[in-house]
Amino acid sequence: DGGITQSPKYLFRKEGQNVTLSCEQNLNHDAMYWYRQDPGQGLRLIYYSQIVNDFQKGDIAEGYSVSREKKESFPLTVTSAQKNPTAFYLCASSMRLNTEAFFGQGTRLTVV
Amino acid sequence: GIQVEQSPPDLILQEGANSTLRCNFSDSVNNLQWFHQNPWGQLINLFYIPSGTKQNGRLSATTVATERYSLLYISSSQTTDSGVYFCAANTGTASKLTFGTGTRLQVTL
Repeated sequence: DGGITQSPKYLFRKEGQNVTLSCEQNLNHDAMYWYRQDPGQGLRLIYYSQIVNDFQKGDIAEGYSVSREKKESFPLTVTSAQKNPTAFYLCASSMRLNTEAFFGQGTRLTVV
Repeated sequence: GIQVEQSPPDLILQEGANSTLRCNFSDSVNNLQWFHQNPWGQLINLFYIPSGTKQNGRLSATTVATERYSLLYISSSQTTDSGVYFCAANTGTASKLTFGTGTRLQVTL
């Protein structure tokens, strides 16, 4: 099946620890994105990547890092520098920047 | 950047009723999408509609780009239509979709 797979669905982290969220797509899309959603809110862009080995900061990049070593994969690391990491994280991809975007099922991160 | 506003913020309907959700945006758009967020959080693509009208079953959408708004119509609503509906847009020079804050729809029996 074609699509975007995020793992894990639920993740618990102790304060002070880094954690990496996985995002894989088999749609042959060039562009990939990470968004964050807080309760009752819309989505805000963390990072995006237009092509392999390239990525740019979004609106709320502080405390996060990404890599894009393969076209299919765009992992997001939530570092200990992120002050309020508990949120729902959504990965998306599109054929190119500014074309129709498709989303994964999300990862719910809780800091305990 | 572009501003996206949705109305109403909340909507309660009885099953079988029709509804119209509105999305206003502040600039010319290159991309406009409507999504339904289900109770598990997944965003389901409803429409990719930077202009014109599209229909898919009981749902239809119209974007009037010159007047900077889009409408999502839900007819004969069902309880499974409940959830949050998001509109998202970007301009030709932007690198991201900007989301509205959503319309929370509850369909009751």
